[in-house]
Amino acid sequence: DSGVTQTPKHLITATGQRVTLRCSPRSGDLSVYWYQQSLDQGLQFLIQYYNGEERAKGNILERFSAQQFPDLHSELNLSSLELGDSALYFCASSVDLAGGDIQYFGAGTRLSVL
Amino acid sequence: TQLLEQSPQFLSIQEGENLTVYCNSSSVFSSLQWYRQEPGEGPVLLVTVVTGGEVKKLKRLTFQFGDARKDSSLHITAAQPGDTGLYLCAGATSGTYKYIFGTGTRLKVLA
Repeated sequence: DSGVTQTPKHLITATGQRVTLRCSPRSGDLSVYWYQQSLDQGLQFLIQYYNGEERAKGNILERFSAQQFPDLHSELNLSSLELGDSALYFCASSVDLAGGDIQYFGAGTRLSVL
Repeated sequence: TQLLEQSPQFLSIQEGENLTVYCNSSSVFSSLQWYRQEPGEGPVLLVTVVTGGEVKKLKRLTFQFGDARKDSSLHITAAQPGDTGLYLCAGATSGTYKYIFGTGTRLKVLA
């Protein structure tokens, strides 16, 4: 158990819909990262927050947004869903800010867009 | 665009054999990490290497960071079925907070 909790584990929805994925980081971790993992794309970095502020952006679509709340949990919002958004979405947390820090991954949310 | 290419993409070997997985890039990384991911779970960190030429050992696993910090290798000695999984390398660039993940190597060790 990494200490990172993601909910829900599975999500099935239809195209055009909007969903919210939730992540609770390990106790004491200030950084939260979001990744998308699909079969043909590997693990793609989406966005990182540190202590409530956005710190780095990767290949995140404009239809996707995220935030980190004062209690440090984070939510990833996916809207106007398309079939291609079906993937595993992982959250990771870490203590420090800079590259090279140890990231602890949650078990992921499997999103299926039908 | 920074890319981390891993090879081979797939590997199926018998228990007891040795294997090496490679992670290559044209970019220089301040650190590089190796993860193992099992089905239905998130990646789990195995090791972090930060110094060019660094070698780290974790039981039967040996990790090496290239002298120029652009590549890395993972060598497994006497592979066991429990080593089966997806191996991912991930690089971080100095001054940024982004991690670039490799394309992954799916290893299957047959008993």
